[in-house]
Amino acid sequence: EPEVTQTPSHQVTQMGQEVILRCVPISNHLYFYWYRQILGQKVEFLVSFYNNEISEKSEIFDDQFSVERPDGSNFTLKIRSTKLEDSAMYFCASTGPQFNQPQHFGDGTRLSIL
Amino acid sequence: QKEVEQDPGPLSVPEGAIVSLNCTYSNSAFQYFMWYRQYSRKGPELLMYTYSSGNKEDGRFTAQVDKSSKYISLFIRDSQPSDSATYLCAMSAIDSSNTGKLIFGQGTTLQVKP
Repeated sequence: EPEVTQTPSHQVTQMGQEVILRCVPISNHLYFYWYRQILGQKVEFLVSFYNNEISEKSEIFDDQFSVERPDGSNFTLKIRSTKLEDSAMYFCASTGPQFNQPQHFGDGTRLSIL
Repeated sequence: QKEVEQDPGPLSVPEGAIVSLNCTYSNSAFQYFMWYRQYSRKGPELLMYTYSSGNKEDGRFTAQVDKSSKYISLFIRDSQPSDSATYLCAMSAIDSSNTGKLIFGQGTTLQVKP
């Protein structure tokens, strides 16, 4: 069964450094998402991406965050200057061909900011 | 009032018991409802997806939606120790954005004891 894959599984970074989290969505999906889960808290929406542009972003997704689909397969989340409070699990999800079909999630990247 | 409310538990039941997990929501625009299962340090795994009021059954799992009461449930019959996980309800709205972003509940931690 096709799946969403994310790399790395764990990223440790010094505060202030840039990180790039990578995702390979399911190949025929058209809608892509990033979510965040801080330890012990609920999964929170960050951003949705469709047709090579952001379709919606949450208040969390400020100017430090950006997303990109650099080629036909990868979908990346960049945090430009990391803060301690960015420490969380970051999940990529995809769905398609319609946006209202169930989303499939990767196993996440655990981001630890020191 | 939170958009989606879910009792975090923990809920502990003996093997073979029927488990009932519930979520309430406040936004009447929510039209699509999902249940995900999440094992420790893994991504959410889709269990059930529905968009209409009523019941939907898949093996040992039954999803129930009552839009008039803004209440959804997941029932697990003949629960097994392997069902021990966190169960997340999630929903998305039909609104002007139509991005399909998911709003999650807090998650309920379930332990099934042999």
